[in-house]
Amino acid sequence: EPEVTQTPSHQVTQMGQEVILRCVPISNHLYFYWYRQILGQKVEFLVSFYNNEISEKSEIFDDQFSVERPDGSNFTLKIRSTKLEDSAMYFCASKIGTGGAYTFGSGTRLTVV
Amino acid sequence: AQSVTQPDIHITVSEGASLELRCNYSYGATPYLFWYVQSPGQGLQLLLKYFSGDTLVQGIKGFEAEFKRSQSSFNLRKPSVHWSDAAEYFCAVGSSGGYNKLIFGAGTRLAVHP
Repeated sequence: EPEVTQTPSHQVTQMGQEVILRCVPISNHLYFYWYRQILGQKVEFLVSFYNNEISEKSEIFDDQFSVERPDGSNFTLKIRSTKLEDSAMYFCASKIGTGGAYTFGSGTRLTVV
Repeated sequence: AQSVTQPDIHITVSEGASLELRCNYSYGATPYLFWYVQSPGQGLQLLLKYFSGDTLVQGIKGFEAEFKRSQSSFNLRKPSVHWSDAAEYFCAVGSSGGYNKLIFGAGTRLAVHP
């Protein structure tokens, strides 16, 4: 069964450093998403991406965040200057169309120290 | 505002007992409804989804859920729980059109006693 692949599974970074989280969505999917889950809390929507542009973003997704689909297969989330409160599990998801179900990746646990 | 409420933060059942996890939603449009399961440190696995049609949907691992529009509910059920079902369960709602972001409930943590 096709999977959404996320790398790395765990990343530790120092506060103020830039971090890039990588995702390879399912190849024929058209809609791409990032969600995050702070430890012990609910999963929160960050951003959706369609047709090579952001289609919607949440209040969390401020100027420190950016997304990119540089080569037609990877989908990245960049945090420019990490803060302690950015520590969370970040999930990438994709789906084929508006009526499709999401497929989530297994997540990247980001720890900011 | 769109929201999902899972009233039970933590539920403990005995192995072999039946299970019902509650989910209520508030959504202006026609909702798409999902249940996901998350084992500790793991990702989100889709248990089942409701888009339209029969309001009783079957999922993986013996789970089912019933959509009740009049009650704005989408409760998850399993007739006989196994110890491996211990995990966190998330209900989520998305729109039937557009970019369909998902809104998640806070989750219900299920513990299973032998």
